[in-house]
Amino acid sequence: EAQVTQNPRYLITVTGKKLTVTCSQNMNHEYMSWYRQDPGLGLRQIYYSMNVEVTDKGDVPEGYKVSRKEKRNFPLILESPSPNQTSLYFCASSLSGRSYEQYFGPGTRLTVT
Amino acid sequence: GQQVMQIPQYQHVQEGEDFTTYCNSSTTLSNIQWYKQRPGGHPVFLIQLVKSGEVKKQKRLTFQFGEAKKNSSLHITATQTTDVGTYFCAPSYSGAGSYQLTFGKGTKLSVIP
Repeated sequence: EAQVTQNPRYLITVTGKKLTVTCSQNMNHEYMSWYRQDPGLGLRQIYYSMNVEVTDKGDVPEGYKVSRKEKRNFPLILESPSPNQTSLYFCASSLSGRSYEQYFGPGTRLTVT
Repeated sequence: GQQVMQIPQYQHVQEGEDFTTYCNSSTTLSNIQWYKQRPGGHPVFLIQLVKSGEVKKQKRLTFQFGEAKKNSSLHITATQTTDVGTYFCAPSYSGAGSYQLTFGKGTKLSVIP
């Protein structure tokens, strides 16, 4: 089944404790991206990747890192999480860029205390 | 990134009434996508519009792209409780450069049975 998977689905952590949210797709998609969703603010893109080893900033990259060492994986790294990064995070992938259908993962609910 | 205005932010309708959400841009778009997110779920692709004046239908849903490619609408005829959710537009802007994808803030639809 074609899908985007994210882990963990739920995470409660403390300020400053490094964490990684994994994202994997099995559709051989070139384009992958991370979004955060906050009430009233919609979906905001954090980082995106056009292909392996090619990443670029979205609208809200501060406090986040990404890497794309393999085509199927696009982990989101929070080196020193802060409470303002409490949010719902979605990973998405598409065949090749933003003008193709985006397939979203199920989401990761992150709480930073 | 460039912004698109999506209105209204919320809409409450009686089951059977029609519903419309609008996305308006100050600059010309190359295309626009629409997504639906059910409560507790992830965004799911509905459609992409590319051509000036384009109209596409999916059962009770009608999507339009303006003649100037600066605005778009999603109209639902005779809403049902299954239409509940948040509808997002995702415009792509003309011109070379960024592959960033920006979403509208969404219209949250409630349907009263």
